[in-house]
Amino acid sequence: SQQGEEDPQALSIQEGENATMNCSYKTSINNLQWYRQNSGRGLVHLILIRSNEREKHSGRLRVTLDTSKKSSSLLITASRAADTASYFCATDGNNQGGKLIFGQGTELSVKP
Amino acid sequence: DTAVSQTPKYLVTQMGNDKSIKCEQNLGHDTMYWYKQDSKKFLKIMFSYNNKELIINETVPNRFSPKSPDKAHLNLHINSLELGDSAVYFCASSRRQGATGELFFGEGSRLTVL
Repeated sequence: SQQGEEDPQALSIQEGENATMNCSYKTSINNLQWYRQNSGRGLVHLILIRSNEREKHSGRLRVTLDTSKKSSSLLITASRAADTASYFCATDGNNQGGKLIFGQGTELSVKP
Repeated sequence: DTAVSQTPKYLVTQMGNDKSIKCEQNLGHDTMYWYKQDSKKFLKIMFSYNNKELIINETVPNRFSPKSPDKAHLNLHINSLELGDSAVYFCASSRRQGATGELFFGEGSRLTVL
């Protein structure tokens, strides 16, 4: 069953602007992860946030987690054309038997 | 050095044929996976192996048969290919099974069934 759902499905911004992507999920989780996929390539792990954490930073990335609302957001600050990619959230749920379940992704386009 | 490598990158074949995709990881991870990504980019887990043992087998037709000769390799054989099998197949690995940590993905194998 699909766990994470991303919003928006597509986002187009200018270089230098911030990009915010949201992920909602249905069941309780051990952790939530964000991945990036460039066109025609494999997925690359960006950041993992555990269920007892509320916020995490990595370079220009900021991830928040609200377990009461079962939602997470990924903020990319000062975006660059090279950030153009699809971004996926993935949940490791308590009752998922070790499966990482992915959302359908947000397609981000950063225009120079 | 490529951490997770899969071959071939592209596969074009006729309906009814049998094909295989190979995957190798040099990260020393215990767990390997096959995921299928459809044309809408929806990524769905198919199989998971932990140290050569099948752990996860999602509702996948038995035309799909994974094989793990050792913990660094996980191959996928598909019999009697159908049009609906057209997709990108990703191999991935993680340090251990269970509370899932970071997955490392291969570059994908794009299968087109004509």
